[in-house]
This record gives sequence, structure tokens and C-alpha cells, in this order.
Amino acid sequence: DARVTQTPRHKVTEMGQEVTMRCQPILGHNTVFWYRQTMMQGLELLAYFRNRAPLDDSGMPKDRFSAEMPDATLATLKIQPSEPRDSAVYFCASGLVRGAEGALYEQYFGPGTRLTVT
Amino acid sequence: AQKITQTQPGMFVQEKEAVTLDCTYDTSDPSYGLFWYKQPSSGEMIFLIYQGSYDQQNATEGRYSLNFQKARKSANLVISASQLGDSAMYFCAMRVKEYNFNKFYFGSGTKLNVKP
Repeated sequence: DARVTQTPRHKVTEMGQEVTMRCQPILGHNTVFWYRQTMMQGLELLAYFRNRAPLDDSGMPKDRFSAEMPDATLATLKIQPSEPRDSAVYFCASGLVRGAEGALYEQYFGPGTRLTVT
Repeated sequence: AQKITQTQPGMFVQEKEAVTLDCTYDTSDPSYGLFWYKQPSSGEMIFLIYQGSYDQQNATEGRYSLNFQKARKSANLVISASQLGDSAMYFCAMRVKEYNFNKFYFGSGTKLNVKP
């Protein structure tokens, strides 16, 4: 049963510390998304990779957030320095772009990383 | 403008009855996809069902079916024979192409409570 995995599942850190979240997409998927979910804002797209290349990171605060895909089996989201307003659940999702139009017909989410910044 | 709307913040349904969760959307992209996700209290997002804008038939997956009315721009989720384990938040999402890449828009969610 193929799944997206994320580590850590929970992270509590102090303001100013660096936080790194990791995601292993489903084997064979060529797209990876990072989302943030809060009660106030709902689900927000932070970054989107296709074939490991960043295509859209317009939803990400550039001064403190960075997202990378060092290889096809690992995506990372880093926050440096972290702030209390970054407290949220961060989801990674993966999918397979298919067809001439390059559309996504499925998108599977990981279990999320619950981040608390104090 | 791309928009997806879920107008029911919360709903109750009796166990074993069917329930319909509403979702309306707006997009100028002729080729779009509609997704439904379930988020139980554990927090994970579970992919339930997908409907493409060109699909002639309504999508079905087990007890889930998508009532796709293209002219009305609605994509309601129908859960048949509700079970206690169906109690969760349900999110409707729309996938469109922007600048040649896929972008997802999520609704605000509907909290479903199944009563025994």
C-alpha cells in the first residue's frame, strides 16, 4: 500500500530555531506539493515541484521558508528562523501528472507534521 | 477567477442514511478536475474521489459518488449508507492549469457528524 511519508509527525521548537520537515513521495509520482493548514486560513499551497523542479512557490514566505527536492525520493521544507505564526500542520502531497495536457488526476497526502513554535 | 465554495459548515446524518455534501466551483479553465478529501479527527487527508471536467459519467468509489452537474458548476459528494466512521471534515478541491502547471484550490470544508 503506497503512501506518502512525512517526518517528524510532531515538532515543538522555540522561536528563532531552524525547522526541517521531510517528505517521501509515493514511488513513481512526479509531482510534490507542500501545504500548510491552519484553522484561520484553511489549506494553503506553499510550493509545488514537478520532476524535482520547483514550479510554484508563490505561497511561501521567501525570507524564511525554503523547499527543495534533492532527489526523487525526498522533498524538504525548511523554516529559518521559525516564528510562532508558523505553527500549523504542514502536509506534503504527491501525484502523477499524466496525459498530453499534463493534468493531475490524483493527489495523495502524507500524515502531516504538526509544528508548534513557542 | 478560480473559486471553490462549500456552503455547509456542518451537517448531521443518521447512521445508514445517505447524505449529500455540496460543492460549487468557478473557473475559466475548460479542463479541470474536482476532488473530494476526508479529514478525520486524526488529521490525515484521505483522497476519496476524482471527477474530470470532460468525464461523461459521474465518478463512483464504493459508497462515494460525485454528482457532477457541469452547467450548474456543482460537484456534490454523495455518501450512501453512512457509517459512524464517516464522521469527519470533508474538503472539495479543484485542480486547474495556471501558467502550464497544476494548481489546487480547496473549499473551506464541511464537518459531517453521523449519529447512531
